[in-house]
Amino acid sequence: DAGITQSPRHKVTETGTPVTLRCHQTENHRYMYWYRQDPGHGLRLIHYSYGVKDTDKGEVSDGYSVSRSKTEDFLLTLESATSSQTSVYFCAISPGSVVAGELFFGEGSRLTVL
Amino acid sequence: AQTVTQSQPEMSVQEAETVTLSCTYDTSESDYYLFWYKQPPSRQMILVIRQEAYKQQNATENRFSVNFQKAAKSFSLKISDSQLGDAAMYFCAYAVVGGGAQKLVFGQGTRLTINP
Repeated sequence: DAGITQSPRHKVTETGTPVTLRCHQTENHRYMYWYRQDPGHGLRLIHYSYGVKDTDKGEVSDGYSVSRSKTEDFLLTLESATSSQTSVYFCAISPGSVVAGELFFGEGSRLTVL
Repeated sequence: AQTVTQSQPEMSVQEAETVTLSCTYDTSESDYYLFWYKQPPSRQMILVIRQEAYKQQNATENRFSVNFQKAAKSFSLKISDSQLGDAAMYFCAYAVVGGGAQKLVFGQGTRLTINP
């Protein structure tokens, strides 16, 4: 199993509060991703990182920010959580290569915004 | 923008029977990869099978095989001899070839139920 740890695994918070989800990898992979999973939408890319301090937006980035200060850690921050951000959040990693390979996923973090 | 569509929100099959899950996609790229991921109740995302668009031969992994129709932009998953452990949500996904970040685009998912 790929060494990916997400924390917290479950969180309940209130509208307007800041929330940070952490993804930690032990694989030394270059690329890291944050996806959200919602019924009827599958998984959608929020942000991704292609190196330390190098990040870019995905399909649904509004309301989210990310940071990567170390190769092994990728943080997803909701500055002011809203009920529409209630979701299951997945971190994924990949080594990157000239051919598309497998993404390795964490176990997900369920966030409920009341 | 690339899109992936799974038109079957739910499917069910009798144990030991064969079931086919459908997936269509839209892209202007000529070189890309297609994937099927499985998500059991544990929520873990597991890669089932991968197809490279430039390969005409359909990928096969044990009881899992795909029917890749490039001109029709169709990528269905066939599960033979269905087992109770196959019950899960299945996601079709697309990624463009080109190195670097592998930004997968996922379909909506199909929930597969196996009836004993």
